Amino acid sequence: GQQVMQIPQYQHVQEGEDFTTYCNSSTTLSNIQWYKQRPGGHPVFLIQLVKSGEVKKQKRLTFQFGEAKKNSSLHITATQTTDVGTYFCAGNKAAGNKLTFGGGTRVLVKP
Amino acid sequence: DAGITQSPRHKVTETGTPVTLRCHQTENHRYMYWYRQDPGHGLRLIHYSYGVKDTDKGEVSDGYSVSRSKTEDFLLTLESATSSQTSVYFCAIRVGDGYTFGSGTRLTVV
Repeated sequence: GQQVMQIPQYQHVQEGEDFTTYCNSSTTLSNIQWYKQRPGGHPVFLIQLVKSGEVKKQKRLTFQFGEAKKNSSLHITATQTTDVGTYFCAGNKAAGNKLTFGGGTRVLVKP
Repeated sequence: DAGITQSPRHKVTETGTPVTLRCHQTENHRYMYWYRQDPGHGLRLIHYSYGVKDTDKGEVSDGYSVSRSKTEDFLLTLESATSSQTSVYFCAIRVGDGYTFGSGTRLTVV
């Protein structure tokens, strides 16, 4: 079946620094989504990428979808304590209606 | 969020007992999903529904059944709970491009 892998599993970041988390699918995706889950909370939808090579920005967050539509990345600049949480990518196979989630990257910020 | 609620929020049950978790939405969305979340596994799809009485299995459906007799309610049943089903269960609805999740049910099977 479809697998979605994320690396790293954990990311310790000094406040103010940048970091990137990566997402790789075993199959070609129709789209990829990113979610953020704060400690003790539920996943919250951030963004969807659909086109090959697409890049989208939300303030300090930059999301990219690979040319082959099998990988994606999330880059956060100038990390803040509010960025603490687990970031999940989730992929939809072509014409699919169910998301397969990656294992998540848990981000810890050192003040 | 988008009128989705889960009940109960917490439950402790004994091995071998049946358990039903409820997901309720107020906005008439067609697609509803049940996921479980365990450390190191992210979110894994148990079952989903694409309409009243229309359901399908996800990747970890063994030991679970679902029912959707009304658009607004999606029930997840553990027929005979096992310790391996101790988890946090999230219901989600498809809203626009993304999913909106409920607050989760923390289930402990002892």
